[in-house]
Amino acid sequence: DSGVTQTPKHLITATGQRVTLRCSPRSGDLSVYWYQQSLDQGLQFLIQYYNGEERAKGNILERFSAQQFPDLHSELNLSSLELGDSALYFCASSGQGSNIQYFGAGTRLSVL
Amino acid sequence: GEDVEQSLFLSVREGDSSVINCTYTDSSSTYLYWYKQEPGAGLQLLTYIFSNMDMKQDQRLTVLLNKKDKHLSLRIADTQTGDSAIYFCAEISNSGYALNFGKGTSLLVTP
Repeated sequence: DSGVTQTPKHLITATGQRVTLRCSPRSGDLSVYWYQQSLDQGLQFLIQYYNGEERAKGNILERFSAQQFPDLHSELNLSSLELGDSALYFCASSGQGSNIQYFGAGTRLSVL
Repeated sequence: GEDVEQSLFLSVREGDSSVINCTYTDSSSTYLYWYKQEPGAGLQLLTYIFSNMDMKQDQRLTVLLNKKDKHLSLRIADTQTGDSAIYFCAEISNSGYALNFGKGTSLLVTP
């Protein structure tokens, strides 16, 4: 167990809908990262938050957004969903000054 | 973006050693990582190596780093069927924050 918790484990929804994925980092970790894993693109970095502030952005679509709350949990919001958004979404966290990222079990999103 | 390259598939017999290879792109990478993903599971950090090291050993795992050739390898000694999984090599990206992952090497261990 990495200590990073992601909910829900599975999500099935329809095209055009909006979903929210939740992540609780390891106790004390200030940084949260979101990654998308798909068969064609592999593991792609989406976005990073550090202590509530956005720190780095990767290949995140404009339809996607994230935030980190004062209790350090983070949410990834995916809207106007398309079939191609079906993927495994991972959250990771790291401690202050650490380059070691610990991953949650992921949320599997299926868009039908 | 830059690509981290790994061979896609490796099959070994139980008890043999496995060697998974990776070439990375960023010569300024400070850390290099190996993650393991079992079917239906998340990414488990196996080990990592700092760029000023050539080798790191952790029980059955040995990581070798050749900075000149930007080559990283993971050796698993006495491979077991429970080691069957996908192994990802990763480097810290230019931004210094995100991880750049390879496509993963699927290791199959046969009895």
